[in-house]
Amino acid sequence: GAVVSQHPSRVICKSGTSVKIECRSLDFQATTMFWYRQFPKQSLMLMATSNEGSKATYEQGVEKDKFLINHASLTLSTLTVTSAHPEDSSFYICSPRRGDGTEAFFGQGTRLTVV
Amino acid sequence: AQSVTQPDIHITVSEGASLELRCNYSYGATPYLFWYVQSPGQGLQLLLKYFSGDTLVQGIKGFEAEFKRSQSSFNLRKPSVHWSDAAEYFCAVGDNNFNKFYFGSGTKLNVKP
Repeated sequence: GAVVSQHPSRVICKSGTSVKIECRSLDFQATTMFWYRQFPKQSLMLMATSNEGSKATYEQGVEKDKFLINHASLTLSTLTVTSAHPEDSSFYICSPRRGDGTEAFFGQGTRLTVV
Repeated sequence: AQSVTQPDIHITVSEGASLELRCNYSYGATPYLFWYVQSPGQGLQLLLKYFSGDTLVQGIKGFEAEFKRSQSSFNLRKPSVHWSDAAEYFCAVGDNNFNKFYFGSGTKLNVKP
């Protein structure tokens, strides 16, 4: 399978600060990047989809100004949680996809705790 | 609306025993179905997938799953569980463009010695 690196794996931040999560596809070019969020005991929910060089498309209910997604290259995408609040505490996971992809690859996930 | 249900939140089985994890889906078209496993601190690893053809699919680590359209199910099975199988398992359905995946809430598997 493809190699995906996501970091940090865990982060604790204070309310009001911003946190950046990086996702790298190490051995393939990710034309599309999906970002998911998982609350405790719930499913992974798609937050947004981005194509390299384009603005991200956000799912309904996800604030685009709060969750900034950058997909400036085919191997790197970032998710920045701005002005974090405790309710943003969650597990965030990236999923890069190749252009011909019929399989989803996933990063290791980032456990964000906002205190 | 598309949805995936994994009715069992936790399952405990003895090592060497058989395993079946349930998954039901709701999807308007022909589904693409997946099972992923997540070990602590790890990303999701694909176990197997179903697109078409034989409804019994074989995956890695000795897992298999059977697609039953009449029951809208895609249950995961393993004849003999190993301690290293302890993890969380996610069932997912993908749309036919592989643009979106809808995940179940996961089933956490514990394996007793």
